[in-house]
Amino acid sequence: AQTVTQSQPEMSVQEAETVTLSCTYDTSENNYYLFWYKQPPSRQMILVIRQEAYKQQNATENRFSVNFQKAAKSFSLKISDSQLGDTAMYFCAFMKRASGTYKYIFGTGTRLKVLA
Amino acid sequence: GAGVSQTPSNKVTEKGKYVELRCDPISGHTALYWYRQSLGQGPEFLIYFQGTGAADDSGLPNDRFFAVRPEGSVSTLKIQRTERGDSAVYLCASSLMGGAGETQYFGPGTRLLVL
Repeated sequence: AQTVTQSQPEMSVQEAETVTLSCTYDTSENNYYLFWYKQPPSRQMILVIRQEAYKQQNATENRFSVNFQKAAKSFSLKISDSQLGDTAMYFCAFMKRASGTYKYIFGTGTRLKVLA
Repeated sequence: GAGVSQTPSNKVTEKGKYVELRCDPISGHTALYWYRQSLGQGPEFLIYFQGTGAADDSGLPNDRFFAVRPEGSVSTLKIQRTERGDSAVYLCASSLMGGAGETQYFGPGTRLLVL
């Protein structure tokens, strides 16, 4: 069964600094998709970045980038030049295919606080 | 609408009552998902619709939970005989066709509190 582990329940970072959130997962599949979502207090899950496992190049979206290590089953999120608006819960998600359905398996989240 | 919307935003009910939670997906999205997020946890899959049909309801915890999507757009999650353990945030998401790797876009959720 696929599992997603986020080992850092809480983290903090100074504004303008860089922070890395860790995520590991377990799967026997070879082709799959990984996602990072941000959930601010408004509750809405917002896509931050996504990675296809068959692509060796790490995904990048502006200040957000990932370090995807397929052999180690690791998918960490790096936030550069942290901003106060980055304060939120961050969830790592593995997209699992079961019975024809593509559904997310989420980790338990990391609460990130950006300090002024 | 521009995004996924959910109503009500918050719902307080008493144990044993019936509740309905509504989701309006992004226009044109055929795939619709319901997830449940308990306090301190990540969302967990409940049910997936492709068009009007429930293609996968393997995440529904028991037969008190039911969902419909009669016209292939708006969906309603129905919970009968609510229990305190049903208290959670119920999230709805939609994607274009439900295909491999498609991003799912989430609504703001309904926070359900069962007293």
